[in-house]
Amino acid sequence: DAGITQSPRHKVTETGTPVTLRCHQTENHRYMYWYRQDPGHGLRLIHYSYGVKDTDKGEVSDGYSVSRSKTEDFLLTLESATSSQTSVYFCAISEQGGPYEQYFGPGTRLTVT
Amino acid sequence: KNEVEQSPQNLTAQEGEFITINCSYSVGISALHWLQQHPGGGIVSLFMLSSGKKKHGRLIATINIQEKHSSLHITASHPRDSAVYICAVDSNRDDKIIFGKGTRLHILP
Repeated sequence: DAGITQSPRHKVTETGTPVTLRCHQTENHRYMYWYRQDPGHGLRLIHYSYGVKDTDKGEVSDGYSVSRSKTEDFLLTLESATSSQTSVYFCAISEQGGPYEQYFGPGTRLTVT
Repeated sequence: KNEVEQSPQNLTAQEGEFITINCSYSVGISALHWLQQHPGGGIVSLFMLSSGKKKHGRLIATINIQEKHSSLHITASHPRDSAVYICAVDSNRDDKIIFGKGTRLHILP
C-alpha cells in the first residue's frame, strides 16, 4: 500500500469553526489532491498541488483553502465550516499529473453540526 | 448530463456469477481508471488503461476508445467482491480526473 495517512479520521465540529485536515505521504510523489465524496455524486476535486507551494483549484473549491509547505504534507482548511461541508474527504497522490495512477488515503469523515 | 456514466447503479448477484459493469464517457480522454471502494473503506486503484484489455486475477477491464466505453468484468464472483466500483477518466481537456458515481455490487453467498 502507498504510504498515505490522513488525520483526523473522524471529526465533528460546529458551524462557523475553522477545521484543518492533514494528508501525509511517504512516497515523495509530486502531485497531491483533495476530494470530497457525497451521496449521489462522484468524487469531486477540491484543490490539488503539483509541488511545494504550487496549488490550484478544483471544481468545488469555494470555502476551502490548501497549503503545501513540504512535499509530504498537504493541508485542507475550512475557514468557517458550514453544514454543506459535511462529507467524507479523501486525499490522493500521484507521481505526475495527467494519466498516472492515483493512490488514495483512508478518508476523513467530517460532520459539521 | 454527467460526463462519466456508469451502469447499473446497483447490482445484486449470486456467488459464482459473471459480472459486468459498464462505463460510458463523453469527453476526450488519455486514460480510464477503475477503482474499488469497500464499505467504510478506502479507495483502491484496480486498473488504468488507454486501449485494449487488462486482466488481474478474476478481474478484466476493457476499453473501446472509438465508442467511448469501458467494461469491468468479474469472473466467478465472490462475496468479498462486494464493493462500490468507480470508473474515472483523465480528461484531455484539462488534465483533471472525472469520476462516475459508482456501481454498488452485492454478491450473495
